[in-house]
Amino acid sequence: SSELTQDPAVSVALGQTVRITCQADSLRSYYASWYQQKPGQAPVVVIYGINYRPSGIPDRFSGSSSGNTSSLTITGAQAEDEADYFCISRDSSGNHVVFGGGTKLTVL
Amino acid sequence: QVQLQESGPGLVKPSETLSLTCTVSGGSISSYSWSWIRQPPGKGLEWIGLISNSGSTNYNPSLKSRVTISVDTSKNHLSLRLGSVTAADTAVYYCARYQANLLLEWYWFDPWGPGTLVTVSS
Repeated sequence: SSELTQDPAVSVALGQTVRITCQADSLRSYYASWYQQKPGQAPVVVIYGINYRPSGIPDRFSGSSSGNTSSLTITGAQAEDEADYFCISRDSSGNHVVFGGGTKLTVL
Repeated sequence: QVQLQESGPGLVKPSETLSLTCTVSGGSISSYSWSWIRQPPGKGLEWIGLISNSGSTNYNPSLKSRVTISVDTSKNHLSLRLGSVTAADTAVYYCARYQANLLLEWYWFDPWGPGTLVTVSS
């Protein structure tokens, strides 16, 4: 089982806003990074740190954190955003990397 | 820009050792930290371990007894060895650069290799 908890599936209407969450006690101490994975492809980082987007990631992707929950928000979801999204962070000891189970995003 | 490419046998017999190589291009392997991550078919991602730019290693506790990660700086290669494999080790294996801002305690993986499928079967 994953140490970071994500909803298995979320859907959003085209052009609307969706929030994907990641929960764990360790997130009170460490930021999560967020990854997009399309079928047959490697994951790509979309958000890291407080709310940093690597070059090439659209500004409709944003991140936030509150308490034990990290969130990835897509404002104005596009068809090409349909993918699996994973969060990654550290465990409570800070010594190891832990992953969320992933959220499958469907754009309707 | 840094690019990664995994390589190795696509089929490994049960109880044998899985060995993979990740070739790093566009940058020196000794300048960064690196990680191996795997994904069983149709399932989520699992962290295997990492090696820092100083050579220290850190492994997933659930795999620690079977895993060795190393680098060959002369070849700019990252290596993974996983011993005593079973069908549960069948997965796509990814290498990725592990980036960190230690002052702010930000950690992330970028870039990733395309991944290589390893099947454990007799």
